[in-house]
Amino acid sequence: KAGVTQTPRYLIKTRGQQVTLSCSPISGHRSVSWYQQTPGQGLQFLFEYFSETQRNKGNFPGRFSGRQFSNSRSEMNVSTLELGDSALYLCASSLTSVRVAGITGELFFGEGSRLTVL
Amino acid sequence: AQTVTQSQPEMSVQEAETVTLSCTYDTSESNYYLFWYKQPPSRQMILVIRQEAYKQQNATENRFSVNFQKAAKSFSLKISDSQLGDTAMYFCAFIEGLPGGGADGLTFGKGTHLIIQP
Repeated sequence: KAGVTQTPRYLIKTRGQQVTLSCSPISGHRSVSWYQQTPGQGLQFLFEYFSETQRNKGNFPGRFSGRQFSNSRSEMNVSTLELGDSALYLCASSLTSVRVAGITGELFFGEGSRLTVL
Repeated sequence: AQTVTQSQPEMSVQEAETVTLSCTYDTSESNYYLFWYKQPPSRQMILVIRQEAYKQQNATENRFSVNFQKAAKSFSLKISDSQLGDTAMYFCAFIEGLPGGGADGLTFGKGTHLIIQP
């Protein structure tokens, strides 16, 4: 069974540009959640998509957005990039909501996309 | 809001030694769950161990065990007979039990970088 796949693994952008990251969940999983990981802040929840609908959103500006397709693949987009957006972006997939999966430990993470903003 | 604190940014031990990683958390809830996740250089977060707050017995998974002190709000991870493959970032995480709040799932600490020396 294939795991969670994130692309690209590495990318470099300049300030003001936008970026789109992709996450393909485990087959059959309907929930995809996104996290930003930085040395200073650790892992912070960005948002969750479940059956193509955004369920929850963390405390991030509107420059951060996402969507989910009918095949459960999800993309997140960051517009007008800032230096502080440099981070590892992780996605996680689960059968149930991120809330329930977090409790049961049935949350499966990808290897992340490392974004560097120059 | 819940907080999770890991006070050791980095630790280094010799192979085969036992190491303990510290974690404290703050919550007013009585029903919650605690976790340790491992993030090796491949960057994929992997669940190491899970503890239910209402269970007094400390969870164990092979060489990994926890010391859960509910009154002190402390949740440390002990790794016995450490191996080179244990080198990774370790994150302590918290989530309220249902039907509580926290719809965005897990709250993570900032991590401890554990290095196992040969």
